[in-house]
Order: sequence, then structure tokens, then C-alpha cells
Amino acid sequence: DSGVTQTPKHLITATGQRVTLRCSPRSGDLSVYWYQQSLDQGLQFLIQYYNGEERAKGNILERFSAQQFPDLHSELNLSSLELGDSALYFCASSVGMAAGNNEQFFGPGTRLTVL
Amino acid sequence: GENVEQHPSTLSVQEGDSAVIKCTYSDSASNYFPWYKQELGKRPQLIIDIRSNVGEKKDQRIAVTLNKTAKHFSLHITETQPEDSAVYFCAARGGGSYIPTFGRGTSLIVHP
Repeated sequence: DSGVTQTPKHLITATGQRVTLRCSPRSGDLSVYWYQQSLDQGLQFLIQYYNGEERAKGNILERFSAQQFPDLHSELNLSSLELGDSALYFCASSVGMAAGNNEQFFGPGTRLTVL
Repeated sequence: GENVEQHPSTLSVQEGDSAVIKCTYSDSASNYFPWYKQELGKRPQLIIDIRSNVGEKKDQRIAVTLNKTAKHFSLHITETQPEDSAVYFCAARGGGSYIPTFGRGTSLIVHP
């Protein structure tokens, strides 16, 4: 157990809908990262928050948004869902943003299925 | 930005054999190279990492080597066991970015 929690574990929804994925980082970690993992794809970085502020953006669609709350948990909002959004969504956390070996700890993931 | 290529995409070995997975990166300023293991349906977990000031690092049956000049690094697993079967991801980070860029993964299958 990495200490990072994600809910829900599975989510099945229809095209056009909106969902919210939730992540709680490890105790003491200030950085939260969101990744998308589709079939046959590696880990695609979406967005990072540090202590409540957005710090880096990757290949995140405009239909997707995220935020990190004062208690450091984070939510990833996916709207106008398409079939291609079906994927595993991972959250990871780390202590900070040090340039050294700032290890990321991954949560168990949320499997999103869009029908 | 950084680009990480990983090969092979699939690797099948017999139990007891060695396995080698190779990655190349494009940004010469990258300075941190972690390797993650992801078992089916589970989260990626860090198994070993190396920094750019080190050429090789070992941890029991796994080792990672780094060639900064050639910009490639490799994961070596010796005496493979069926429980080593998983997808392995390499990543590179640095050069002003603290976001690792991941390779596409290698599916390692160890046959008993």
C-alpha cells in the first residue's frame, strides 16, 4: 500500500456525461500528479498540483480539469466524455518538487469505462 | 521536451534466464531515471532508480546501468522468476522539469 488513495475504484458511465475522480495523497506529500493509462499506452502525464496550485500541465484535454484542495486532496473532472476516454486514471504524490530523486507514489487507480 | 523510447515492447524468457530492457532519452539535461513495475491491474511501483552521477546500481537481482554519453539506460533482471512477470516502465526526469517522461512499457513474461 503506497498510502495514496483513489476513489472510486471503478466507474462506468455514458458518453457525454461528467465524472469526478478523487485522490488523497500520502500524509505529508504536497504534490499530486494525474496520469492517464489507456490500453497499449504508457503513462500519459495530465497535470500536477503543488500545495494547491497548478504547477505543470501535460497532455490534458480542455474537457478535463483538476484542482487541489486546502486539505491537499485532489479531484480530476472529466466532462463531455467520449469512448476514447476509457482508461485507467492514476494519481501519484510526492513530497515536493525537488530536482533530486523525488519519488512518486502511485495510487491504485480508477478504471473509467465510457459506454 | 523529453522523449523516452523503450524496447522491446514484449519480452518472453524462461525462468532463470536474464532479461534486459533498454531505454533511450533525448534531453541530455535529464538527471534522474526511475524504473517502475506494474503488475496486471495494479499500480506502478518504483523498483529501482539511478541518478546521472552514477553509472550502475544494483539491488539483489535487479540492476540499472546508465550511459550518459549515449543517453541510454537499461534494466537488468537476473535469475528471472514467474513473479517478475509484469509491465516495466522506464522514465527520465530533469533538465528543468520535475515531471518524469515515461517510456511505453515492456511486457515481461517469465515462463516457468
